[in-house]
Amino acid sequence: DVKVTQSSRYLVKRTGEKVFLECVQDMDHENMFWYRQDPGLGLRLIYFSYDVKMKEKGDIPEGYSVSREKKERFSLILESASTNQTSMYLCASWGPRTGELFFGEGSRLTVL
Amino acid sequence: SQQGEEDPQALSIQEGENATMNCSYKTSINNLQWYRQNSGRGLVHLILIRSNEREKHSGRLRVTLDTSKKSSSLLITASRAADTASYFCATEDGGFKTIFGAGTRLFVKA
Repeated sequence: DVKVTQSSRYLVKRTGEKVFLECVQDMDHENMFWYRQDPGLGLRLIYFSYDVKMKEKGDIPEGYSVSREKKERFSLILESASTNQTSMYLCASWGPRTGELFFGEGSRLTVL
Repeated sequence: SQQGEEDPQALSIQEGENATMNCSYKTSINNLQWYRQNSGRGLVHLILIRSNEREKHSGRLRVTLDTSKKSSSLLITASRAADTASYFCATEDGGFKTIFGAGTRLFVKA
């Protein structure tokens, strides 16, 4: 089974801190994604990557950056956390054989 | 931007009843998918229907797709309390992006 692992389930950070959210997948997938999920808004795409060192902005990239140094790892970075970035963050990788997304369990970030 | 819009936003039914959720989208798609999310967890893929398909079944799930109306429906038959979750439709346009709707919260009463 494909496994997508997000390093932290729950984080509490202070405004202005730099935050790293890590995601690792074990199926050699090329495409990986970061979404944030907020009540009533569903999932919104922040960034995605289709290869090592390749990245594309999603619908809400402001305030975020990403890093893909190795194929299995896709990191989301909040350069200076703000309270409006309090959210559930979901990482996913795309399986080309089935066309489905495989999600991690999510990282719930609270910025105080 | 949200591509899929689910309807209703919330649905409460008795165990054994059928649950129907609808999804509308705006642009041409390569395929449409349905996902399930238990509270506080990640999403799990349920079923994918391609743009040239009209109906697909998987166990108690039945999905229809009407590309002329840009809409899809997910039917869960003989629902169980364990089906309580949020359900999302997602569209993929042949590029790299999969876009999700806001979801339907289903509550199945035992």
